[in-house]
Amino acid sequence: EAGVAQSPRYKIIEKRQSVAFWCNPISGHATLYWYQQILGQGPKLLIQFQNNGVVDDSQLPKDRFSAERLKGVDSTLKIQPAKLEDSAVYLCASSFGVSGEAFFGQGTRLTVV
Amino acid sequence: GENVEQHPSTLSVQEGDSAVIKCTYSDSASNYFPWYKQELGKRPQLIIDIRSNVGEKKDQRIAVTLNKTAKHFSLHITETQPEDSAVYFCAASMSDYKLSFGAGTTVTVRA
Repeated sequence: EAGVAQSPRYKIIEKRQSVAFWCNPISGHATLYWYQQILGQGPKLLIQFQNNGVVDDSQLPKDRFSAERLKGVDSTLKIQPAKLEDSAVYLCASSFGVSGEAFFGQGTRLTVV
Repeated sequence: GENVEQHPSTLSVQEGDSAVIKCTYSDSASNYFPWYKQELGKRPQLIIDIRSNVGEKKDQRIAVTLNKTAKHFSLHITETQPEDSAVYFCAASMSDYKLSFGAGTTVTVRA
């Protein structure tokens, strides 16, 4: 089966600029996660969707981060404005829901300068 | 929320020896515990998982044990090989809700 698709793979922006990441989960997967992985650390959950509803966004910095999953399929994560500390790999993952296994995309490496 | 702690942060073993990584979790309601392997520059990939109704699970050279009372679980890799070198993450969740990860263990297998 096709995996989780993410784009872009790499992005370099200046601080205070805006950026958006896109994720297309595995077909049929109801659950979609966005994680932030800072170099040398484990993935940190930013937001979890179940279909097009938000299950958990308690660790999402809502003053600058936003995410949506229209129609319960693709999702976008936006940062506006970006800070230096947002430099990280942003991983999207999806799961069927019942099985529990989360499949990860390749990630988007964001560098804020 | 769930807090997952992972130890050690780095582990160096001689090829052929065993490697053990330990994790603890805070929320007794957690019932799903996967382990992911992440090679440099690549995506995390599931290598083994265990649910709370099972105490131990094995798949060839890797095994996971779970102690619900103590709220800890461990990954065991036997007969380590150079290709086992990677970063390993444990995670915990409640029925697919909020999969929380540990900080990771960098495993280096010395030839």
